Amino acid sequence: DAGVTQSPTHLIKTRGQQVTLRCSPKSGHDTVSWYQQALGQGPQFIFQYYEEEERQRGNFPDRFSGHQFPNYSSELNVNALLLGDSALYLCASSLGGRGTEAFFGQGTRLTVV
Amino acid sequence: DQQVKQNSPSLSVQEGRISILNCDYTNSMFDYFLWYKKYPAEGPTFLISISSIKDKNEDGRFTVFLNKSAKHLSLHIVPSQPGDSAVYFCAASRFMNSGGYQKVTFGTGTKLQVIP
Repeated sequence: DAGVTQSPTHLIKTRGQQVTLRCSPKSGHDTVSWYQQALGQGPQFIFQYYEEEERQRGNFPDRFSGHQFPNYSSELNVNALLLGDSALYLCASSLGGRGTEAFFGQGTRLTVV
Repeated sequence: DQQVKQNSPSLSVQEGRISILNCDYTNSMFDYFLWYKKYPAEGPTFLISISSIKDKNEDGRFTVFLNKSAKHLSLHIVPSQPGDSAVYFCAASRFMNSGGYQKVTFGTGTKLQVIP
């Protein structure tokens, strides 16, 4: 039983570019939440997708957008990258729109130069 | 505005002794609390949770205590084992009428080192 998988594991982008991160939830899960974890900080909630809709959003600008596909996988898109977007991006999957007791992927380390 | 605070960035404990990790929150709307454990190069792993209608929840060596009046919760690990060495995150959520517990707010984490 595959857990939560994220791709890529590492990524280097130039300021101003756009990036897409991908997440496949744990088998049987239908809800995906995205988090940003800066160095020395806890994960910060970006948004949650359930039934292919964004259900709740944290304090992140519109440069951060996402999508959920019918197979429950999800993408996180970040436009006009800033140096401050450098962080570990975590995907968490869960069931029924509940964001708690979620299973996390290993994350994508994004470095903006 | 850090709504969930873990004021101790690190903690060292001897193997076999009790580890106590503390967490404070400021948002009185939070009604569900969780602890996650994170090893290097891995995502956080759910450990234990507690609803605001309880003041204690126990799961094996792990017990979470909630003091709502003080807006404080703690995680006790007894006995501590070297494999418990990790970063522990306290987290909180509130029930939304639009659809349950969606957003989870994390603290900054406490790095626990259990010394053999």
